[in-house]
Amino acid sequence: AQTVTQSQPEMSVQEAETVTLSCTYDTSESDYYLFWYKQPPSRQMILVIRQEAYKQQNATENRFSVNFQKAAKSFSLKISDSQLGDAAMYFCAYRRTGANSKLTFGKGITLSVRP
Amino acid sequence: NAGVTQTPKFRILKIGQSMTLQCTQDMNHNYMYWYRQDPGMGLKLIYYSVGAGITDKGEVPNGYNVSRSTTEDFPLRLELAAPSQTSVYFCASSTGQTSNSPLHFGNGTRLTVT
Repeated sequence: AQTVTQSQPEMSVQEAETVTLSCTYDTSESDYYLFWYKQPPSRQMILVIRQEAYKQQNATENRFSVNFQKAAKSFSLKISDSQLGDAAMYFCAYRRTGANSKLTFGKGITLSVRP
Repeated sequence: NAGVTQTPKFRILKIGQSMTLQCTQDMNHNYMYWYRQDPGMGLKLIYYSVGAGITDKGEVPNGYNVSRSTTEDFPLRLELAAPSQTSVYFCASSTGQTSNSPLHFGNGTRLTVT
């Protein structure tokens, strides 16, 4: 079974600084997708970024980028120029390719941003 | 656009009571999901559906039932509420056409069973 591990329960970053959130996963599949979701205090789950395992290039969305290390099964999220609105819980998630595949979430990490 | 709408936002139940959490989406998505979120535990899949008339169990289905009579609606039923079902429940939908299709989430229902 696939598992997703987020070992840091909390992190803090100074506004305008850069922070990296860690995620590791375990799978025997070679083709899959990885995601980072953000959950602000409003509870709404929002997709931040996604990565396809067969793509070597790391995904980037504005201030958000990933460091995808397939051999190490590591998928970290880097937030540059942190803003107060980035404060939220962040969940790493995995989904194998194929019909009826389901999303497996990590436990999440709470990010606080200091003004 | 409404997206995924869940009702109610909050509910308190007594042990043994029953209730239905409503979920509807207006994006014509075939795939719909129910998750529960417990503190420090991430999201666990309860049930999912790949289309009207088709449902299947997720990781933690015990104590719940679902139905999918239409593409739009995917209600979650609790028959005999137990304190272990105290959680935040999220409904989500996706096109499901490819495995990288993002999930669209509702705003969640906070349920307390006492």
